[in-house]
Amino acid sequence: DAGVIQSPRHEVTEMGQEVTLRCKPISGHNSLFWYRQTMMRGLELLIYFNNNVPIDDSGMPEDRFSAKMPNASFSTLKIQPSEPRDSAVYFCANSLAGMNTEAFFGQGTRLTVV
Amino acid sequence: KNQVEQSPQSLIILEGKNCTLQCNYTVSPFSNLRWYKQDTGRGPVSLTIMTFSENTKSNGRYTATLDADTKQSSLHITASQLSDSASYICVVSAGSTLGRLYFGRGTQLTVWP
Repeated sequence: DAGVIQSPRHEVTEMGQEVTLRCKPISGHNSLFWYRQTMMRGLELLIYFNNNVPIDDSGMPEDRFSAKMPNASFSTLKIQPSEPRDSAVYFCANSLAGMNTEAFFGQGTRLTVV
Repeated sequence: KNQVEQSPQSLIILEGKNCTLQCNYTVSPFSNLRWYKQDTGRGPVSLTIMTFSENTKSNGRYTATLDADTKQSSLHITASQLSDSASYICVVSAGSTLGRLYFGRGTQLTVWP
């Protein structure tokens, strides 16, 4: 298994544009997490899916952020419209079942909004 | 308030030396505690995961300890190598299966030759 695959690895976009980050989880791992990492705030959980259903989205900063998991093999995190303060590294992580099992992280997407 | 505090914020040691990183938490109810290693430009990779009943767990040259009474954990690295240079993040899981994770800000370790 190639592990958690994220795309793109780097994204540079202008303020106001829509950004879509993609994640392909590990087959059979039922829990998927989106995290954001910045120097100021460290790692923050944005949203958590279990069996494709959003369980906890309280970490999503505002309505400009949305996440979907249409099936067990694909998830997206969308920012619309993007702002410079959204610049960060966004990680997708995967675990077998829930918060209490080991999470495997993707390589991350480094987003820069100018 | 549920918090995870790590110290030191950064640490520089010479290759071959040992070091210990600290993690204090106030998360409740406690489920488990994990240490992750994050190399620059990469995603975090799990080193250890410990539940309430576990006091110590090793992974090669990495040994984690947990004192659930004082709510403290440490990560000891033995005979450091240049490849140990990374950020080490302490993460505490609260509640049940659908509980939340609380992250420390990490300790940036640099190993010099």
